[in-house]
Amino acid sequence: QKEVEQDPGPLSVPEGAIVSLNCTYSNSAFQYFMWYRQYSRKGPELLMYTYSSGNKEDGRFTAQVDKSSKYISLFIRDSQPSDSATYLCAMSENTGFQKLVFGTGTRLLVSP
Amino acid sequence: NAGVTQTPKFQVLKTGQSMTLQCAQDMNHNSMYWYRQDPGMGLRLIYYSASEGTTDKGEVPNGYNVSRLNKREFSLRLESAAPSQTSVYFCASSEVYDRISGYTFGSGTRLTVV
Repeated sequence: QKEVEQDPGPLSVPEGAIVSLNCTYSNSAFQYFMWYRQYSRKGPELLMYTYSSGNKEDGRFTAQVDKSSKYISLFIRDSQPSDSATYLCAMSENTGFQKLVFGTGTRLLVSP
Repeated sequence: NAGVTQTPKFQVLKTGQSMTLQCAQDMNHNSMYWYRQDPGMGLRLIYYSASEGTTDKGEVPNGYNVSRLNKREFSLRLESAAPSQTSVYFCASSEVYDRISGYTFGSGTRLTVV
């Protein structure tokens, strides 16, 4: 079993929909949680990070962490065609050398 | 522009040929990484360098070697390319203990081995 599990999709939604992307993990030592966005033929770019549990909002994006369930989510409100990309979750422990563990990514398609 | 620069962007190799993928960052980061990305497999760590002068194996190091040339540059070498090494390769960099900024990735090298 992988340390971080993520549904590969694709997830197809119409423009304006609310999108929910999720990851589960097994390592209870993970404290930092990140979401990367990767457009086709580009490198991943950091979208949001969250420390420990709770919510974080940035514009149309909300990241949630539920450490008790080992489950993280990224919500996208009012989704746009420009949101079409692959979204990767990543996480790391709080001590020592920072080593991110990535999910496999979920491909999102937002149709006009 | 500040960031991670990878060269070349595309490459086609014949089985058995060798090549070196180059990576340079100008953010004064201490740590650098090489990943490969394959459909359905996500990002898999090949090698990393926590700081200048050190390198360590990642999840899939077989068939690869690395050199941390200086603080800015981290190269990946394929000594005898195999079709299984057909992939998209990403270099990334980060600060050792900065857990907020994550990794900064290059734009990738698309390698095909025939």
